[in-house]
Amino acid sequence: EDKVVQSPLSLVVHEGDTVTLNCSYEVTNFRSLLWYKQEKKAPTFLFMLTSSGIEKKSGRLSSILDKKELSSILNITATQTGDSAIYLCAVGLNYGGSQGNLIFGKGTKLSVKP
Amino acid sequence: KAGVTQTPRYLIKTRGQQVTLSCSPISGHRSVSWYQQTPGQGLQFLFEYFSETQRNKGNFPGRFSGRQFSNSRSEMNVSTLELGDSALYLCASSLAGTGGSQHFGDGTRLSIL
Repeated sequence: EDKVVQSPLSLVVHEGDTVTLNCSYEVTNFRSLLWYKQEKKAPTFLFMLTSSGIEKKSGRLSSILDKKELSSILNITATQTGDSAIYLCAVGLNYGGSQGNLIFGKGTKLSVKP
Repeated sequence: KAGVTQTPRYLIKTRGQQVTLSCSPISGHRSVSWYQQTPGQGLQFLFEYFSETQRNKGNFPGRFSGRQFSNSRSEMNVSTLELGDSALYLCASSLAGTGGSQHFGDGTRLSIL
């Protein structure tokens, strides 16, 4: 069965710290890897990485896809309390099935203390 | 451009009842996927509809069903509710559905008493 594993499951840091969130996957029809941020409501889209775009950056957030290691990291520099959220990693498949087109990890809960 | 809209936002039901949840996708999006999110299991895929056809189905019992209308709006129905059905139900839409980014609604929080 296809699976996505995130680590750590939770993380507590102080404002200004840099954090690295990890995501590894084992899937048969890889197409893309996506990161989402979920606060109280809808997961909001952060990045999508593919074979043709293995590195993305937006402000203090950046992400890299390592297709050899079947993994990705999400870096957040100079963290702020507003970064506190659950960060979800998902792998997009070329062909969906009983797990759908996107397979999600369980998420990393990030808490940023003032 | 309006986002994905889910109604209602909150629902309280009792065991044995049935419930219908609604999802209006982003204009132009033809794929709608439904997920169940619980603290223990995370996001679990329920089913995906594309152009009014169920394209994929997750490993949930037949009590969970859905449909999609010609305007791409989708409904999800759960019959004979059980306590374990208490969860946040999320709907996500995308242009084509396969492997690309999906845009989520705020979800329907379903509580079973």
